[in-house]
Amino acid sequence: AQSVTQLDSHVSVSEGTPVLLRCNYSSSYSPSLFWYVQHPNKGLQLLLKYTSAATLVKGINGFEAEFKKSETSFHLTKPSAHMSDAAEYFCVVSEVRGFKTIFGAGTRLFVKA
Amino acid sequence: KAGVTQTPRYLIKTRGQQVTLSCSPISGHRSVSWYQQTPGQGLQFLFEYFSETQRNKGNFPGRFSGRQFSNSRSEMNVSTLELGDSALYLCASSSGLAGARTDTQYFGPGTRLTVL
Repeated sequence: AQSVTQLDSHVSVSEGTPVLLRCNYSSSYSPSLFWYVQHPNKGLQLLLKYTSAATLVKGINGFEAEFKKSETSFHLTKPSAHMSDAAEYFCVVSEVRGFKTIFGAGTRLFVKA
Repeated sequence: KAGVTQTPRYLIKTRGQQVTLSCSPISGHRSVSWYQQTPGQGLQFLFEYFSETQRNKGNFPGRFSGRQFSNSRSEMNVSTLELGDSALYLCASSSGLAGARTDTQYFGPGTRLTVL
């Protein structure tokens, strides 16, 4: 069975400092992993995805994530936070078998001026 | 390419009524998935349609149903509305191709349903 755990429900950083949003997953098969961002009252936008190619994945807006199979983690990072990064972030695991997609509970990122 | 569109964007209903939400996927996409998002439960998968057939289903009561048309547009219906059905309903489209590990879901802006 697959599952996703986002380890922090809220993260607060100052503008210009690094961002780290943590995600652990469980999957019986080789999964595809995604990070989505949701701004208030908006739909979800894809930030990046891992599909068994390079373990370090670069996404939009300066975000990147590293797939670590040994740690079953897929943490999202950004070197320098911007005010516009304040939003909710979802880690998602998807398995080809069964075509099921599981969303994490979300991490709300606050960026202080 | 136009993105995923959902109509209506906002809806207010009363308990016991029924509601139909619509989703138009990205051109060429054959899979449409529906999700319910609430502050308490987060994002929960409702069901997925591919080529007019329901391919996957989440753990929701039978009051929640859907269908997909030959042009891949999808509708979701909720009958006998309850207060707890108040939520943001998101639709996502993807190619839906079998075995496509790189298949990505693209989300619409959602329909905000309020049940009074």
